[in-house]
Amino acid sequence: EAGVTQFPSHSVIEKGQTVTLRCDPISGHDNLYWYRRVMGKEIKFLLHFVKESKQDESGMPNNRFLAERTGGTYSTLKVQPAELEDSGVYFCASSQDRDVPSLRGYTFGSGTRLTVV
Amino acid sequence: KNQVEQSPQSLIILEGKNCTLQCNYTVSPFSNLRWYKQDTGRGPVSLTIMTFSENTKSNGRYTATLDADTKQSSLHITASQLSDSASYICVVTVFTGGGNKLTFGTGTQLKVEL
Repeated sequence: EAGVTQFPSHSVIEKGQTVTLRCDPISGHDNLYWYRRVMGKEIKFLLHFVKESKQDESGMPNNRFLAERTGGTYSTLKVQPAELEDSGVYFCASSQDRDVPSLRGYTFGSGTRLTVV
Repeated sequence: KNQVEQSPQSLIILEGKNCTLQCNYTVSPFSNLRWYKQDTGRGPVSLTIMTFSENTKSNGRYTATLDADTKQSSLHITASQLSDSASYICVVTVFTGGGNKLTFGTGTQLKVEL
């Protein structure tokens, strides 16, 4: 089966610009997660979709970040306007299991490396 | 202070040698603990997953241990290979009413040399 696909793999933008990251989960996976790793820090949770609904968005840093998953398939994460501290690697993951702990784990995408200059 | 602490931060070993990576966590309520391998430029890939009732889990040359009482886990790599060079991340899962929430360690950067 195809894995989790993220696009673009790299993005360099100027402060104040807008960037949209895309994630295509594994087909049939209801659960889609966004994570972020900033330089030198651990990967941190941003938000969780179950199909098209936001299940948990407690990790979103501020209102400059907007995530959508229209139709419950792919998801986008828009940063507008971007700030220097938004630089990092943004990972997407998907899983099939819903309300029970997943022993099969998550499948992560390769990430989008965002650099704001 | 991070709720999942890993040590060492980085490690260099010779090919063929064994090594052990450590993970201490404070996050609760504990659901399961995972070890991931992350190659440069790639996403994390799951190596092992253990629930609180499991003490050890193996995946080829990787063996993870878990002591839920002391909240410690280790990942032992046997007969290391050059391809083992990567970041190894300990992840603790908390099960909430809305689903799973992962708490990541900062990882141990392993380099295997000839």
